[in-house]
Amino acid sequence: AQSVTQPDIHITVSEGASLELRCNYSYGATPYLFWYVQSPGQGLQLLLKYFSGDTLVQGIKGFEAEFKRSQSSFNLRKPSVHWSDAAEYFCAVGAISSGSARQLTFGSGTQLTVLP
Amino acid sequence: DGGITQSPKYLFRKEGQNVTLSCEQNLNHDAMYWYRQDPGQGLRLIYYSQIVNDFQKGDIAEGYSVSREKKESFPLTVTSAQKNPTAFYLCASSIDLGTQYFGPGTRLLVL
Repeated sequence: AQSVTQPDIHITVSEGASLELRCNYSYGATPYLFWYVQSPGQGLQLLLKYFSGDTLVQGIKGFEAEFKRSQSSFNLRKPSVHWSDAAEYFCAVGAISSGSARQLTFGSGTQLTVLP
Repeated sequence: DGGITQSPKYLFRKEGQNVTLSCEQNLNHDAMYWYRQDPGQGLRLIYYSQIVNDFQKGDIAEGYSVSREKKESFPLTVTSAQKNPTAFYLCASSIDLGTQYFGPGTRLLVL
């Protein structure tokens, strides 16, 4: 069974500083990897995804993530954080179950606070 | 506008009562999912459905039931057997490639 670990429960950065959120996964085959963002009381919005190919993936809102197979990691980065980036971030790994639907396993999330 | 809608935004359940959460999508997605979110625990899969009239239990199906009579709709019933129903419930849908798109959620509270 697959699993996802987000080691940082809460991260605080200053506006304009760089950001890296960590994600480690456990999966027996090539994983499908996702980052989602959630504002309070809202649903999840897809930031970016990795299925295959280039290991550096660009997403929305200036985010990027790098798939490192040797480290089983898929860390999310942003060079300059904006106050509007304050939210909770979830990493997820996808597995092919029977049929075409893919189940996602989510990490427990990292809460990002941005200081002015 | 294509998307996923969930209603109501807030739902209150009395002791021993069954309640139903609505999820509708107009994205023409085949697969639909229900997740439960508790603070500090991420999302846990309750049920999922790949096609109409078929659904599978997820990791925490006990105390919940679903139906999939139409492609667009996947309602979730929280039964009286679910002893700790207070949570944020999220519905999602996907096409074959597996990227899931989420609705805005329903918060269920117990009176």
